[in-house]
Amino acid sequence: GAGVSQSPSNKVTEKGKDVELRCDPISGHTALYWYRQSLGQGLEFLIYFQGNSAPDKSGLPSDRFSAERTGGSVSTLTIQRTQQEDSAVYLCASSLGNPDTQYFGPGTRLTVL
Amino acid sequence: QKEVEQNSGPLSVPEGAIASLNCTYSDRGSQSFFWYRQYSGKSPELIMFIYSNGDKEDGRFTAQLNKASQYVSLLIRDSQPSDSATYLCASRPSGSARQLTFGSGTQLTVLP
Repeated sequence: GAGVSQSPSNKVTEKGKDVELRCDPISGHTALYWYRQSLGQGLEFLIYFQGNSAPDKSGLPSDRFSAERTGGSVSTLTIQRTQQEDSAVYLCASSLGNPDTQYFGPGTRLTVL
Repeated sequence: QKEVEQNSGPLSVPEGAIASLNCTYSDRGSQSFFWYRQYSGKSPELIMFIYSNGDKEDGRFTAQLNKASQYVSLLIRDSQPSDSATYLCASRPSGSARQLTFGSGTQLTVLP
């Protein structure tokens, strides 16, 4: 079946602009996670959604970052007033119920000039 | 101190050899541990997870967990050039957390 999809695959923006990154999880998966990976680094947790529960936003690095998940499916990560240090690959993952089986999407490579 | 630490490498082994990848973690309450493989420019893919002390084998891969010493390792037997990738170690923190904490990865090169 279809895996996790993300769009766009690449995004180049200017410092100060807002960007929206989209994640479409595997159909039926109730949990959705956003991570980011800076060059040569491991993945850094950003935010987690589970069903209709309030999201776990504990990993968001600043109030410029926000995310929503509409209808328990598609999620959008928004970064306002982008900074150069926001440049990274933003990865989305989903899982069915067991949080120990997370499937990752291909990522969005964000470059802030 | 990072919560999950890995030797960044690069680690090079000849084809057919055993590759040994190591990871230590600081949260003694962590219960679940994972190894992901990430090819250059691709997303991470789950190889194995392990919950209990000891060894867990899956084909050419063996994960080892020692909770007393707080380390996790991954052994790859009969290494192939196609195993060349970055290997990410991750743990799920104690409590109700669902997100994973990742190390920075070890780059493995298997030389033909």
